[in-house]
Amino acid sequence: QLVLTQSPSASASLGASVKLTCTLSSGHSSYAIAWHQQQPEKGPRYLMKVNSDGSHSKGDGIPDRFSGSSSGAERYLTISSLQSEDEADYYCQTWDTAIWMFGGGTKLTVL
Amino acid sequence: EVQLLESGGGLVQPGGSLRLSCAASKFTFSTYAMSWVRQAPGEGLEWVSTINGRGDSTYYADSVKGRFTISRDNSKNTLYLQMNSLRAEDTAIYYCAKDPLNSDYVWGSYSWGQGTLVTVSS
Repeated sequence: QLVLTQSPSASASLGASVKLTCTLSSGHSSYAIAWHQQQPEKGPRYLMKVNSDGSHSKGDGIPDRFSGSSSGAERYLTISSLQSEDEADYYCQTWDTAIWMFGGGTKLTVL
Repeated sequence: EVQLLESGGGLVQPGGSLRLSCAASKFTFSTYAMSWVRQAPGEGLEWVSTINGRGDSTYYADSVKGRFTISRDNSKNTLYLQMNSLRAEDTAIYYCAKDPLNSDYVWGSYSWGQGTLVTVSS
């Protein structure tokens, strides 16, 4: 069964970097995923797609501070030079045929 | 810039029905699959349903199968979600979303609407 696992919370200081992790279930390490950001009281916003080889393609207007990478069944979202507006929920998402699956989300707090 | 504008949310009693709409603009609507995703209060994102660009293939989460129907009118650039036999657990913000792959399987970008709130309560 295809499942995405995320840590519920993360925190980092203003100006620092943080790396969020999304883990694909066993047998699904070849899947690409997408990262979406949801700021408080707003709808989701697409950040990027991350492939199994670590390559990624970002959405329009996504700052260079956001980058993606992969290792095995793990997909990462790294945010550098953290800003206050980066405080948000981050969801990873994948798909199988036309069925979407989401991770539980990581709440990022910027200290 | 892609625009997706949901409407049709509101308060409905358990067992009732509601029809959501999503007006799309600034992209070639008929060449993209479209989806509905919902978010219950304080919870994460949950995929609800997807329809392909032509409207002849549909997919549903088990939690809504047999109660919800997704459809689209490509002449009106509009996506719909007919929700019947509503339950308290269907209470959520419902977002429409554009698939990133077009009909030529070229990857573009997901796009999201701002959402419409559905409350199921007596």
